[in-house]
Amino acid sequence: AQKITQTQPGMFVQEKEAVTLDCTYDTSDQSYGLFWYKQPSSGEMIFLIYQGSYDEQNATEGRYSLNFQKARKSANLVISASQLGDSAMYFCAMKNGRGFQKLVFGTGTRLLVSP
Amino acid sequence: DVKVTQSSRYLVKRTGEKVFLECVQDMDHENMFWYRQDPGLGLRLIYFSYDVKMKEKGDIPEGYSVSREKKERFSLILESASTNQTSMYLCASSLRTGAERGNEKLFFGSGTQLSVL
Repeated sequence: AQKITQTQPGMFVQEKEAVTLDCTYDTSDQSYGLFWYKQPSSGEMIFLIYQGSYDEQNATEGRYSLNFQKARKSANLVISASQLGDSAMYFCAMKNGRGFQKLVFGTGTRLLVSP
Repeated sequence: DVKVTQSSRYLVKRTGEKVFLECVQDMDHENMFWYRQDPGLGLRLIYFSYDVKMKEKGDIPEGYSVSREKKERFSLILESASTNQTSMYLCASSLRTGAERGNEKLFFGSGTQLSVL
């Protein structure tokens, strides 16, 4: 069975600093994908970044990058130059290479960016 | 602009009532999903559908059923609402590519906060 673990219930960071949100995963599949979503107080889930298990380079999307360490089964999200608008819940999720793109989610990390 | 629309943002129902949560997407996506979100538990998959009239159980289907009569609409049904079904319900959709791997992300609606009293 697949499992996503986010061990940080909450994180604090000052504006303009970088922050790393941890995510470890467990799967027996060779082919899988890892996602990060942001959920602001409005409730809508916003896709941030994707990493495929066969991708050799770490994914980057603007200020977001994914530190993918396959041997350690970790997929940490790095947000550079934090902004006040980054305050939100962040969820790590995984899908396997088969089936219908079902995502398994972690429990989330609440990030608070202070001025 | 792509959109997944959930019919209600907030809903209050009584124990034992039959509850319908509606979700419509305008992206011609084959896959649709219903998740519930609870503090400390993250998102858990209730049901999903990969085609019209097709449905598959997710991780927590007990007490729920679904209906997909049209491609764009996926309904979640609580046959007899109970207090432990008080939760945030999120609908999502995605393309079905048939590829073994791909970055087909889910598009989510804004959620329905259901309170069962």
